[in-house]
Amino acid sequence: NAGVTQTPKFQVLKTGQSMTLQCAQDMNHEYMSWYRQDPGMGLRLIHYSVGAGITDQGEVPNGYNVSRSTTEDFPLRLLSAAPSQTSVYFCASRQTENTEAFFGQGTRLTVV
Amino acid sequence: TQLLEQSPQFLSIQEGENLTVYCNSSSVFSSLQWYRQEPGEGPVLLVTVVTGGEVKKLKRLTFQFGDARKDSSLHITAAQPGDTGLYLCAVNFGNEKLTFGTGTRLTIIP
Repeated sequence: NAGVTQTPKFQVLKTGQSMTLQCAQDMNHEYMSWYRQDPGMGLRLIHYSVGAGITDQGEVPNGYNVSRSTTEDFPLRLLSAAPSQTSVYFCASRQTENTEAFFGQGTRLTVV
Repeated sequence: TQLLEQSPQFLSIQEGENLTVYCNSSSVFSSLQWYRQEPGEGPVLLVTVVTGGEVKKLKRLTFQFGDARKDSSLHITAAQPGDTGLYLCAVNFGNEKLTFGTGTRLTIIP
């Protein structure tokens, strides 16, 4: 059982480049979220989805887009990378609002 | 903006000592989760507390949910090096989002 799979694990971008971070889950969870984690800090919510076709903004959505065309996949797009987006990105899924969140192993992104 | 504050931010203690970390909010919430995160990994759930005043034990870890449903604590007895990690509380404020606290980074010195 793979759980939540994120790719890539590491990425270096130049300022202004765009890219997509992939997230897939095989648990048939309705809720999926993207977080970023900066050194010494907790997790800040970027975007989230409560089901296919439904997405909404979190605390720090600027510079990121998401879509949810299937239950399994929830990609995060960086439109024009900036050094401030250097961070570790985590994707998470859960069945309902109050159940356990399962996380991927993270993507470490550096923007130079 | 609904915030979860955790304290202390950093804690370094000797193996065998006891410790308590805290999670506080200005808003009432229906349930709270505690996660532990190790370097290079995503957070992993330790426990969910749902009832005001509830106490749950997980081996040497004791979790308490405040009576007013606005705070929680995690107490570790006889800390071991394997307890080292980032401890995060997380809450759903009733808006479909799972909000995480600022975290407590715990280091246990052998």
